[in-house]
Amino acid sequence: EAAVTQSPRNKVAVTGGKVTLSCNQTNNHNNMYWYRQDTGHGLRLIHYSYGAGSTEKGDIPDGYKASRPSQENFSLILELATPSQTSVYFCASGDGTGYAEQFFGPGTRLTVL
Amino acid sequence: GEQVEQRPPHLSVREGDSAFITCTYTDPNSYYFFWYKQEPGASLQLLMKVFSSTEINEGQGFTVLLNKKDTRLSLNLTAAHPGDSAAYFCAVSASSGSWQLIFGSGTQLTVMP
Repeated sequence: EAAVTQSPRNKVAVTGGKVTLSCNQTNNHNNMYWYRQDTGHGLRLIHYSYGAGSTEKGDIPDGYKASRPSQENFSLILELATPSQTSVYFCASGDGTGYAEQFFGPGTRLTVL
Repeated sequence: GEQVEQRPPHLSVREGDSAFITCTYTDPNSYYFFWYKQEPGASLQLLMKVFSSTEINEGQGFTVLLNKKDTRLSLNLTAAHPGDSAAYFCAVSASSGSWQLIFGSGTQLTVMP
């Protein structure tokens, strides 16, 4: 069974603080993705990775960094969190082929005060 | 790049009625399409994946239609029941190396008893 887990599930941060969202997958997938979900926008891609050591900018990368230290782990880093980054964040993994679906984690609800 | 427009944003139907959701996409070379279902507070679950070579795909209680000429993807839930109440998202696999998913903005479906 494909498995993508995220931590924390909920996070409250202060403006200007540093936030790290973590994602782990046991699918042995090469590709991993970070999305944010906001009402009226569906899911938008922030960063993605082709494998360990690789990070690429998605459609809305400003204010975010990513780190892929291993095949299994992919982190999203907000160095200076802002209220506009309040959102639900989803991590996903995929095997890197166009016809394969992405498997999503349970999501992290982030509130920046 | 690829853009996906999904309509309607909200849909309310009676139990037993059909629910019809449509997505239009801009890249005529797109080949892989996906429908995801998201129940309240939950992650995204794959409903169906569609390849461009197949225009009609049937699942349990729903049909997916792909009109390549009009670059339109549709989901028809036949005989909807309250358990179908959820958000539905279409996604198109970008015809590039990342195979990122471009999501529609979602349809919130409510099925009333």
